[in-house]
Order: sequence, then C-alpha cells, then structure tokens
Amino acid sequence: DAKTTQPPSMDCAEGRAANLPCNHSTISGNEYVYWYRQIHSQGPQYIIHGLKNNETNEMASLIITEDRKSSTLILPHATLRDTAVYYCIVGLAGNTPLVFGKGTRLSVIA
Amino acid sequence: NAGVTQTPKFRVLKTGQSMTLLCAQDMNHEYMYWYRQDPGMGLRLIHYSVGEGTTAKGEVPDGYNVSRLKKQNFLLGLESAAPSQTSVYFCASSYQDPRVGTEAFFGQGTRLTVV
Repeated sequence: DAKTTQPPSMDCAEGRAANLPCNHSTISGNEYVYWYRQIHSQGPQYIIHGLKNNETNEMASLIITEDRKSSTLILPHATLRDTAVYYCIVGLAGNTPLVFGKGTRLSVIA
Repeated sequence: NAGVTQTPKFRVLKTGQSMTLLCAQDMNHEYMYWYRQDPGMGLRLIHYSVGEGTTAKGEVPDGYNVSRLKKQNFLLGLESAAPSQTSVYFCASSYQDPRVGTEAFFGQGTRLTVV
C-alpha cells in the first residue's frame, strides 16, 4: 500500500472550513484514499473515501487531484466537536486492512 | 444494532499473567482486525482475519495470538503479559467489498495496563 504524508497539526477557527492535506505520491491506479478521524481516545471513525472523483457526504468533502498524488479533506463548517486526529490512508479495496500513520491533529478554536 | 463491542473496557494485569480480549460484531462482516495504540502514536495492526477460521499477522504480532472460531467473534490472547503490552487495543470489522462499502467500524477500545 502507498504511504501518506500529513502535517502533524493544524488549527482552524470555529465555523470556518478546515482543509486537511495529504500527499500520496506513490499511489497506484486502483488504490483508494480513505479518511478516518479519532476523537480523543475513542475508536477511529470513518469519514469518506474515494478513488478518482471528488466525493461528498454529510460529514465532509474529499478532493483528489487529477494525478491522484494528493488529496484534501474539507470540513465545510468546523465545530469544536471536530477537534480530533485525522488519518489519511491509501489502500486497495478488498485487500489487507488499513495501515494508519500518525495523522494530523486538528484543533478547532472558538 | 450494537456494531463492534469489545470486552473488557479496562484491565490491569500483572507481568506473566494471561488474558483474552473479546471482540464481537453484529454486522455480518467478513473482515476483523486487532490494533494497538500507544500514547501519541497511530494505530498498529496486530492480527487480522479475512473470514471465519482464518487469521493473519499484522505489523506487530509478537506476544499475541488470535482465533476466529465464529464469524462474529475475534479473540485476542496474551499468553504471558509484559509491560510493553500496556496499550489501548481496538478491534474493527469491515465488509471489504467496494460494491457495498469498505469502511471499517471500530470498537471503543480496551485499555490494558500490565504492571
């Protein structure tokens, strides 16, 4: 599975959009991009995933560049409850399990 | 629908003791996983299973054994606990089929301290 690079930490003002970047320059053509988050010490929570096209759900949007070497997770209106560690993971669907890196610690500030 | 349930939630062991962590899921998922998370670190995969009766090693399997006798249960065993196994353990399950979804569902964790 391809490796990912994320900034260790980011701050975002409450109510503003949070844009979390992820580099995955060695991603292969059939690998998906997944995003999870972990709030405090809870179990990780799935957010969104995509292959080539941009994706949106009730939680977030995922923007994948045309060359697929990087992506951005967008939380459109961040709240204090979005403070968490966000993990960007790439992997093959139906293959071995997710490999977590250290993620980005997002702090939403009032 | 309980999702993924881990038992127990907390445990303190003495060095050399043994114990079994239980993970149960009610979503009929084929895949199940055990991860550990140390302070300030990401999750590391211990063992996983791609179906009833199967198990496979992850990144950090040493000192642990697993069994998947029933599809809904995945057990993690520590035969002789060591202080280095003090950690938070997370279980997860998933369907792993892009046609129906590939997201993994996690339990709330088991906080284990070995003294």
